[in-house]
Amino acid sequence: AQKVTQAQTEISVVEKEDVTLDCVYETRDTTYYLFWYKQPPSGELVFLIRRNSFDEQNEISGRYSWNFQKSTSSFNFTITASQVVDSAVYFCALSELVSSGSARQLTFGSGTQLTVLP
Amino acid sequence: IAGITQAPTSQILAAGRRMTLRCTQDMRHNAMYWYRQDLGLGLRLIHYSNTAGTTGKGEVPDGYSVSRANTDDFPLTLASAVPSQTSVYFCASSILAGGENEQFFGPGTRLTVL
Repeated sequence: AQKVTQAQTEISVVEKEDVTLDCVYETRDTTYYLFWYKQPPSGELVFLIRRNSFDEQNEISGRYSWNFQKSTSSFNFTITASQVVDSAVYFCALSELVSSGSARQLTFGSGTQLTVLP
Repeated sequence: IAGITQAPTSQILAAGRRMTLRCTQDMRHNAMYWYRQDLGLGLRLIHYSNTAGTTGKGEVPDGYSVSRANTDDFPLTLASAVPSQTSVYFCASSILAGGENEQFFGPGTRLTVL
């Protein structure tokens, strides 16, 4: 079973529209961490946010906001007033203990390709 | 400050050949990781190293080996490349192991195995 599901493979919006990228995760750990990374067309991965399982406060950073809801195992990402430069692949990731129990492994979703049209 | 460098940037390789992808970080991070990125599958962990001298297997370790002789370098070796290893490979590091730490990624190596 996929541990991190990003059901939206591709999203296309017009500049200045708001857009929400969905992320649903699955874990048995009581302590875990969730991340969002951005991969622009240049290919590098850029860290956006980290959230631990005990902190359900939503977070806002400029035009970016994140809604973490443990009850629905979701960690959604909203971009307000989108811009062309927001066009990228966005990955949600879950950090949990690997099967050996000796380390945590970052499991990525399959990503959402966001295209913002001018 | 370079962060993480990877070499080569891209490579075309004949099946059966041996190949080592290089990764070097200058941030003195303890933990390092290798991922492969395939369309529709996101990034999958191949191997990791929590600290110099230790390594561990990730989700897709078969056909790959790693070593961590020092803090800075974490090479990934394909002993006998196969076409299914065609992918983009990313090296990453974090200040500590533990999963709660942000991982910093290198620019990637695009590998094609024919």
